[in-house]
Amino acid sequence: DAMVIQNPRYQVTQFGKPVTLSCSQTLNHNVMYWYQQKSSQAPKLLFHYYDKDFNNEADTPDNFQSRRPNTSFCFLDIRSPGLGDAAMYLCATSRDFQTGNYEQYFGPGTRLTVT
Amino acid sequence: QQQVKQSPQSLIVQKGGISIINCAYENTAFDYFPWYQQFPGKGPALLIAIRPDVSEKKEGRFTISFNKSAKQFSLHIMDSQPGDSATYFCAASSEASNDMRFGAGTRLTVKP
Repeated sequence: DAMVIQNPRYQVTQFGKPVTLSCSQTLNHNVMYWYQQKSSQAPKLLFHYYDKDFNNEADTPDNFQSRRPNTSFCFLDIRSPGLGDAAMYLCATSRDFQTGNYEQYFGPGTRLTVT
Repeated sequence: QQQVKQSPQSLIVQKGGISIINCAYENTAFDYFPWYQQFPGKGPALLIAIRPDVSEKKEGRFTISFNKSAKQFSLHIMDSQPGDSATYFCAASSEASNDMRFGAGTRLTVKP
């Protein structure tokens, strides 16, 4: 089945220790998104890639970076995690919003704990 | 800046009842309005979506009603079941903004 896969599902890191979260997709979608979702809140968009073009949200902290080495994979790097970065991180894909294909398909998420 | 306002925050409905969740948006450029269902520990899953050229869309027990002039849309869940207990998010998007703006979410509990 075509899908969005996130690894790991649970990640524990220490305060200030860099961490990388991974997302892969078998949908062959052009667009990949990273969202942060804190408890009982809506997902908050951090950034997205339209193909290789990176688009950062204005209020995304510099501590968060992303890489997309190819169509299938996208990584979220948190350079120096703080306690406030503990959250569920969701990866999503969409085919191509420029042609009206807005539907976003979400992965199961990675729950990040910062100790 | 909250562009999509969702209410209520939480909703309790008896099995077999109708669940109604409302959303209002500000940006008239939005042209795609999905509803997502999220179970604890899972990612959101697309439930149903509507574009502003229609006023209603129905898929099984789920119906979206859309009022363009009032900039409001709502989700109706008919014959609500305990398995529908989840958090529901409305959202809005447009070609110009290309990102999805989510409402704050409604936690639905359907009592047996």
